[in-house]
Amino acid sequence: RKEVEQDPGPFNVPEGATVAFNCTYSNSASQSFFWYRQDCRKEPKLLMSVYSSGNEDGRFTAQLNRASQYISLLIRDSKLSDSATYLCVVRYGGYQKVTFGIGTKLQVIP
Amino acid sequence: DTGVSQDPRHKITKRGQNVTFRCDPISEHNRLYWYRQTLGQGPEFLTYFQNEAQLEKSRLLSDRFSAERPKGSFSTLEIQRTEQGDSAMYLCASSLAEGWDTEAFFGQGTRLTVV
Repeated sequence: RKEVEQDPGPFNVPEGATVAFNCTYSNSASQSFFWYRQDCRKEPKLLMSVYSSGNEDGRFTAQLNRASQYISLLIRDSKLSDSATYLCVVRYGGYQKVTFGIGTKLQVIP
Repeated sequence: DTGVSQDPRHKITKRGQNVTFRCDPISEHNRLYWYRQTLGQGPEFLTYFQNEAQLEKSRLLSDRFSAERPKGSFSTLEIQRTEQGDSAMYLCASSLAEGWDTEAFFGQGTRLTVV
């Protein structure tokens, strides 16, 4: 089983739609969680950290379920500019490296 | 530009040649990470430094790979006797001492093609 698993997609959604991605992680000692965004042939950039209580940043909502070992990202009112690959990122306690998922590709269609 | 910079951006080399990449982190960042990304995959951890000390290396980092950060500032990643399987994007990231729990920033990467 991979340490961090994501559905690679692609998710093709119309503008204005709501879309959700899930990510599961295998190590229960995981301590920190993030969503990164990566545009085609560009470097990954931090979208948001994921906190235990859940957190929201504009149209983006991230949630963590430690019992089931998954995190989610919800994007409301999708924009064309949201088209990208969304990488789930996990840091295990006591380690300074992070582990990336394969990424979920989102294509927002006019 | 005060972000993470990597050089070169692209490198094409023949199999068996040696290549070296450079990463200049954000100046106040004392942690520096190297990752490798192949098409359709997420970045895979290679190694990281705190200041000049290399604190962790992945099993992916075979003996053909070596990384240095001699003065705790820029870092180099060298691949000796390149193989076609080394073709990938090599990403460098840097962060403050608190690591990924503060924001880590990536450079634009060096895309290596081994022919």
